[in-house]
Amino acid sequence: DGGITQSPKYLFRKEGQNVTLSCEQNLNHDAMYWYRQDPGQGLRLIYYSQIVNDFQKGDIAEGYSVSREKKESFPLTVTSAQKNPTAFYLCASSIGAESEAFFGQGTRLTVV
Amino acid sequence: QKEVEQDPGPLSVPEGAIVSLNCTYSNSAFQYFMWYRQYSRKGPELLMYTYSSGNKEDGRFTAQVDKSSKYISLFIRDSQPSDSATYLCASPDYKLSFGAGTTVTVRA
Repeated sequence: DGGITQSPKYLFRKEGQNVTLSCEQNLNHDAMYWYRQDPGQGLRLIYYSQIVNDFQKGDIAEGYSVSREKKESFPLTVTSAQKNPTAFYLCASSIGAESEAFFGQGTRLTVV
Repeated sequence: QKEVEQDPGPLSVPEGAIVSLNCTYSNSAFQYFMWYRQYSRKGPELLMYTYSSGNKEDGRFTAQVDKSSKYISLFIRDSQPSDSATYLCASPDYKLSFGAGTTVTVRA
């Protein structure tokens, strides 16, 4: 089946630990995005990548890092520098700019 | 100023009513707009994708774009309890900007 896979669905980590969220797509899309969603709020852009080996900071990139070594993969690392990491994280991909984006089912990260 | 603004609601309507959702955008260069539906604890799913001004209809859903006022709307006719969700507007410019989302509850 074609689509975007985020794993794991639920993730628990201790404060001070880095954690990496996985996002894989088999849609042959060039662009990929990471968003954070907090309760009652919309989607806030963390990082985006329009092409392999290139990525740009979004609106709330502090405390996060990404890589785009392969077209199908765009992992997000939540570092210990992120002050409030507990949230719902969503990955999306699109053919390119100005195209409709498709989302994964999200990863709910809880830091205790 | 956010690039896409949306009234977060919430909105509660009786079954069968018309739901009207609205967003404004700041960049007059935006040409494409999308509406997503998100059920609780799930990823958003694409509902409508529109280009330029005018209306686009898909079943009970109508998306409307007014470029002169930088206003986009989504109408849901004959609303059903299964339409209860959060609706997000977005513009797929280079960094895919979203509105805050409006939570809709359709009461049976």
